[in-house]
Amino acid sequence: GESVGLHLPTLSVQEGDNSIINCAYSNSASDYFIWYKQESGKGPQFIIDIRSNMDKRQGQRVTVLLNKTVKHLSLQIAATQPGDSAVYFCAENLQAGGTSYGKLTFGQGTILTVHP
Amino acid sequence: ETGVTQTPRHLVMGMTNKKSLKCEQHLGHNAMYWYKQSAKKPLELMFVYSLEERVENNSVPSRFSPECPNSSHLFLHLHTLQPEDSALYLCASSHVSANEQFFGPGTRLTVL
Repeated sequence: GESVGLHLPTLSVQEGDNSIINCAYSNSASDYFIWYKQESGKGPQFIIDIRSNMDKRQGQRVTVLLNKTVKHLSLQIAATQPGDSAVYFCAENLQAGGTSYGKLTFGQGTILTVHP
Repeated sequence: ETGVTQTPRHLVMGMTNKKSLKCEQHLGHNAMYWYKQSAKKPLELMFVYSLEERVENNSVPSRFSPECPNSSHLFLHLHTLQPEDSALYLCASSHVSANEQFFGPGTRLTVL
Protein backbone atom coordinates (compact mmCIF):
# COMPACT_ATOMS: atom_id res chain seq x y z
CA GLY A 1 0.00 0.00 0.00
CA GLU A 2 0.96 3.65 0.00
CA SER A 3 3.43 4.62 2.68
CA VAL A 4 5.79 7.25 3.90
CA GLY A 5 9.20 6.08 4.99
CA LEU A 6 12.60 7.29 6.07
CA HIS A 7 15.96 6.28 4.62
CA LEU A 8 18.05 6.58 7.78
CA PRO A 9 16.91 5.65 11.26
CA THR A 10 19.72 7.56 13.04
CA LEU A 11 21.79 10.66 12.39
CA SER A 12 24.61 11.90 14.57
CA VAL A 13 26.11 15.37 14.08
CA GLN A 14 28.34 17.85 15.85
CA GLU A 15 26.93 21.04 17.27
CA GLY A 16 27.04 23.76 14.65
CA ASP A 17 26.89 21.41 11.70
CA ASN A 18 24.00 21.37 9.28
CA SER A 19 21.69 18.33 9.43
CA ILE A 20 19.71 16.78 6.62
CA ILE A 21 16.94 14.29 7.30
CA ASN A 22 15.37 12.50 4.38
CA CYS A 23 11.98 10.99 3.70
CA ALA A 24 10.56 9.04 0.77
CA TYR A 25 6.88 8.87 -0.01
CA SER A 26 5.01 6.69 -2.44
CA ASN A 27 1.64 8.38 -2.91
CA SER A 28 2.02 10.69 -5.89
CA ALA A 29 -1.40 12.18 -5.15
CA SER A 30 -0.29 13.56 -1.79
CA ASP A 31 -0.57 17.31 -1.72
CA TYR A 32 0.69 18.25 1.70
CA PHE A 33 3.63 17.23 3.87
CA ILE A 34 4.58 17.99 7.44
CA TRP A 35 7.70 17.57 9.55
CA TYR A 36 7.29 16.89 13.24
CA LYS A 37 9.86 16.80 16.03
CA GLN A 38 9.35 14.54 19.03
CA GLU A 39 11.49 14.99 22.11
CA SER A 40 11.72 12.37 24.80
CA GLY A 41 8.57 12.27 26.91
CA LYS A 42 6.65 14.62 24.64
CA GLY A 43 4.24 14.39 21.79
CA PRO A 44 5.18 15.32 18.21
CA GLN A 45 5.60 19.05 17.66
CA PHE A 46 5.00 20.76 14.33
CA ILE A 47 8.15 22.13 12.68
CA ILE A 48 7.32 23.07 9.12
CA ASP A 49 5.02 22.09 6.30
CA ILE A 50 4.97 22.30 2.52
CA ARG A 51 2.34 21.97 -0.18
CA SER A 52 2.93 19.95 -3.29
CA ASN A 53 2.87 23.04 -5.49
CA MET A 54 6.07 24.23 -3.80
CA ASP A 55 9.66 22.97 -4.03
CA LYS A 56 11.10 24.69 -1.01
CA ARG A 57 9.98 26.39 2.14
CA GLN A 58 12.09 28.04 4.80
CA GLY A 59 11.51 28.59 8.47
CA GLN A 60 13.70 29.61 11.32
CA ARG A 61 16.89 27.52 10.86
CA VAL A 62 14.88 24.87 9.01
CA THR A 63 14.23 24.32 5.33
CA VAL A 64 12.03 21.71 3.73
CA LEU A 65 12.68 20.60 0.18
CA LEU A 66 10.21 18.65 -1.93
CA ASN A 67 11.20 16.74 -5.05
CA LYS A 68 8.03 15.40 -6.60
CA THR A 69 9.89 13.75 -9.47
CA VAL A 70 11.51 11.23 -7.15
CA LYS A 71 8.94 11.55 -4.35
CA HIS A 72 11.47 12.76 -1.85
CA LEU A 73 11.20 15.14 1.06
CA SER A 74 14.03 16.49 3.18
CA LEU A 75 14.41 18.60 6.29
CA GLN A 76 17.52 20.72 6.62
CA ILE A 77 18.47 22.12 10.00
CA ALA A 78 21.11 24.85 9.97
CA ALA A 79 23.64 25.22 12.78
CA THR A 80 22.29 22.23 14.66
CA GLN A 81 22.12 22.62 18.42
CA PRO A 82 21.94 20.05 21.24
CA GLY A 83 18.31 21.08 21.74
CA ASP A 84 17.58 19.77 18.25
CA SER A 85 18.23 16.22 19.44
CA ALA A 86 14.95 14.37 18.95
CA VAL A 87 13.10 12.02 16.65
CA TYR A 88 11.97 13.64 13.43
CA PHE A 89 8.95 12.39 11.50
CA CYS A 90 7.70 13.28 8.10
CA ALA A 91 3.98 12.91 7.56
CA GLU A 92 1.79 12.93 4.54
CA ASN A 93 -1.61 14.54 4.81
CA LEU A 94 -4.34 12.90 2.80
CA GLN A 95 -7.43 14.99 2.44
CA ALA A 96 -8.51 13.58 -0.87
CA GLY A 97 -11.99 12.21 -1.24
CA GLY A 98 -13.74 15.04 0.52
CA THR A 99 -12.84 14.07 4.06
CA SER A 100 -13.59 16.64 6.68
CA TYR A 101 -10.38 16.10 8.62
CA GLY A 102 -6.66 15.71 8.07
CA LYS A 103 -5.50 12.10 7.84
CA LEU A 104 -1.80 11.94 8.58
CA THR A 105 0.36 9.01 7.52
CA PHE A 106 3.68 9.03 9.35
CA GLY A 107 7.10 7.70 8.47
CA GLN A 108 9.14 5.65 10.91
CA GLY A 109 11.21 8.55 12.17
CA THR A 110 14.90 9.49 12.30
CA ILE A 111 16.74 9.86 15.57
CA LEU A 112 18.90 12.97 15.47
CA THR A 113 21.67 13.19 18.06
CA VAL A 114 23.66 16.40 18.35
CA HIS A 115 26.99 16.19 20.14
CA PRO A 116 28.34 19.32 21.90
CA GLU B 1 2.45 23.72 26.05
CA THR B 2 0.63 22.72 22.87
CA GLY B 3 -2.85 23.28 24.28
CA VAL B 4 -3.58 19.56 24.35
CA THR B 5 -3.39 17.75 27.68
CA GLN B 6 -3.57 14.05 28.41
CA THR B 7 -4.11 12.15 31.65
CA PRO B 8 -2.76 10.03 33.08
CA ARG B 9 0.78 10.37 31.74
CA HIS B 10 1.62 6.84 32.80
CA LEU B 11 -0.66 3.85 33.34
CA VAL B 12 0.05 0.26 34.31
CA MET B 13 -2.84 -2.14 34.12
CA GLY B 14 -3.57 -5.84 34.18
CA MET B 15 -5.29 -7.62 31.35
CA THR B 16 -8.57 -7.79 33.25
CA ASN B 17 -8.66 -4.14 34.28
CA LYS B 18 -10.82 -1.38 32.86
CA LYS B 19 -9.30 2.07 32.55
CA SER B 20 -9.82 5.25 30.58
CA LEU B 21 -7.46 7.74 28.97
CA LYS B 22 -8.49 11.36 28.83
CA CYS B 23 -7.59 14.09 26.38
CA GLU B 24 -8.56 17.74 26.53
CA GLN B 25 -7.80 20.49 24.03
CA HIS B 26 -7.95 24.23 24.73
CA LEU B 27 -7.45 25.38 21.14
CA GLY B 28 -11.01 25.66 19.92
CA HIS B 29 -10.50 22.80 17.50
CA ASN B 30 -13.33 20.60 16.26
CA ALA B 31 -11.50 17.44 15.20
CA MET B 32 -9.74 15.07 17.59
CA TYR B 33 -7.60 12.00 17.01
CA TRP B 34 -6.18 8.98 18.85
CA TYR B 35 -2.85 7.55 17.70
CA LYS B 36 -0.84 4.58 18.93
CA GLN B 37 2.94 4.83 18.97
CA SER B 38 4.81 1.56 19.40
CA ALA B 39 8.55 1.05 19.40
CA LYS B 40 10.03 0.72 15.92
CA LYS B 41 6.70 1.38 14.21
CA PRO B 42 5.24 4.52 12.67
CA LEU B 43 2.46 6.33 14.46
CA GLU B 44 -0.79 4.52 13.79
CA LEU B 45 -4.05 6.41 13.49
CA MET B 46 -6.74 4.73 15.58
CA PHE B 47 -9.80 6.97 15.66
CA VAL B 48 -10.91 10.33 14.34
CA TYR B 49 -13.75 12.49 15.57
CA SER B 50 -14.87 15.39 13.44
CA LEU B 51 -17.52 17.73 14.83
CA GLU B 52 -18.04 15.21 17.66
CA GLU B 53 -18.88 12.43 15.23
CA ARG B 54 -16.63 9.42 14.76
CA VAL B 55 -15.49 9.46 11.14
CA GLU B 56 -12.63 6.99 11.23
CA ASN B 57 -12.05 3.66 12.94
CA ASN B 58 -8.83 2.29 11.60
CA SER B 59 -9.55 -1.42 12.20
CA VAL B 60 -8.99 -1.02 15.92
CA PRO B 61 -9.97 -3.97 18.16
CA SER B 62 -13.16 -3.53 20.17
CA ARG B 63 -11.22 -3.62 23.45
CA PHE B 64 -10.49 0.04 22.62
CA SER B 65 -13.60 2.20 22.80
CA PRO B 66 -13.43 5.95 22.09
CA GLU B 67 -15.83 8.57 23.34
CA CYS B 68 -16.12 12.24 22.39
CA PRO B 69 -18.70 13.97 24.62
CA ASN B 70 -17.91 17.42 23.22
CA SER B 71 -15.41 19.11 20.93
CA SER B 72 -12.91 19.70 23.75
CA HIS B 73 -12.77 16.23 25.28
CA LEU B 74 -11.84 12.81 24.01
CA PHE B 75 -11.64 9.54 25.93
CA LEU B 76 -10.26 6.13 25.16
CA HIS B 77 -11.84 3.40 27.25
CA LEU B 78 -9.73 0.30 27.69
CA HIS B 79 -10.80 -3.19 28.74
CA THR B 80 -9.26 -6.66 28.61
CA LEU B 81 -6.14 -5.39 26.91
CA GLN B 82 -3.23 -7.54 25.81
CA PRO B 83 0.47 -7.03 26.57
CA GLU B 84 1.04 -6.09 22.91
CA ASP B 85 -1.22 -3.09 23.49
CA SER B 86 1.53 -1.53 25.58
CA ALA B 87 2.51 1.67 23.80
CA LEU B 88 2.38 5.45 23.91
CA TYR B 89 -1.14 6.67 23.15
CA LEU B 90 -1.23 10.13 21.64
CA CYS B 91 -4.15 12.46 21.30
CA ALA B 92 -4.20 15.24 18.71
CA SER B 93 -6.60 17.95 17.64
CA SER B 94 -7.06 20.23 14.65
CA HIS B 95 -9.54 22.45 12.92
CA VAL B 96 -11.74 20.49 10.55
CA SER B 97 -10.09 20.45 7.12
CA ALA B 98 -6.85 21.85 8.55
CA ASN B 99 -3.63 20.05 7.86
CA GLU B 100 -1.73 20.69 11.06
CA GLN B 101 -2.53 18.56 14.07
CA PHE B 102 -1.48 19.50 17.58
CA PHE B 103 -0.41 16.63 19.80
CA GLY B 104 -0.63 16.04 23.51
CA PRO B 105 2.26 14.54 25.49
CA GLY B 106 0.79 11.05 25.39
CA THR B 107 -0.07 8.37 27.93
CA ARG B 108 2.54 5.66 28.37
CA LEU B 109 0.50 2.47 28.81
CA THR B 110 1.92 -0.80 30.09
CA VAL B 111 -0.25 -3.91 30.10
CA LEU B 112 0.95 -6.68 32.36
